[in-house]
Amino acid sequence: SQKIEQNSEALNIQEGKTATLTCNYTNYSPAYLQWYRQDPGRGPVFLLLIRENEKEKRKERLKVTFDTTLKQSLFHITASQPADSATYLCALWEAGGTSYGKLTFGQGTILTVHP
Amino acid sequence: SAVISQKPSRDICQRGTSLTIQCQVDSQVTMMFWYRQQPGQSLTLIATANQGSEATYESGFVIDKFPISRPNLTFSTLTVSNMSPEDSSIYLCSVEVQSRWPYEQYFGPGTRLTVT
Repeated sequence: SQKIEQNSEALNIQEGKTATLTCNYTNYSPAYLQWYRQDPGRGPVFLLLIRENEKEKRKERLKVTFDTTLKQSLFHITASQPADSATYLCALWEAGGTSYGKLTFGQGTILTVHP
Repeated sequence: SAVISQKPSRDICQRGTSLTIQCQVDSQVTMMFWYRQQPGQSLTLIATANQGSEATYESGFVIDKFPISRPNLTFSTLTVSNMSPEDSSIYLCSVEVQSRWPYEQYFGPGTRLTVT
């Protein structure tokens, strides 16, 4: 069956360190993968998108890697700050057969950055 | 990107009633999506709404329970019908920004629904 797993429900790190979040998937052939941030009581906020033929994407302190052989994406936040504390969601987009296709989300990792 | 608003932001409803949630986008978009996020859970796609055609529902969701309208390229509604406490959830609309492939997907702030 298809599955998206994000490492540990919760990740706690010290301010200034690099946070690394993992997204593993099975039985998917995603065309691309997106990472979102979600704060309590709010909708997800788009952060980064990486295609299946891209190995790495960067945006300011954020870096995403995508390994379709390992079926894994890593999401890094360097020089983390308490303001980075949130739930981070990975989502795979897969084309449908006769339908348009859809984005399927992992369960999220709650990141807490301690001052 | 796109700016998306939803109304209402939250509501408390009695079982057996229906609630219509509105989603407004600040630009014209082809594809709109409705998701549900149950307490402590991730997002689950309810249906895809393409302007000018009937919504496409995911497995486990039916039109009689979640009718959707998509009258134009900036607006959609989702109705949660004949509500029960199990429908208590956050309902989110999202849009694809089709500037170039692959398309980034943006979300509204959500509607928090509590059914008593």
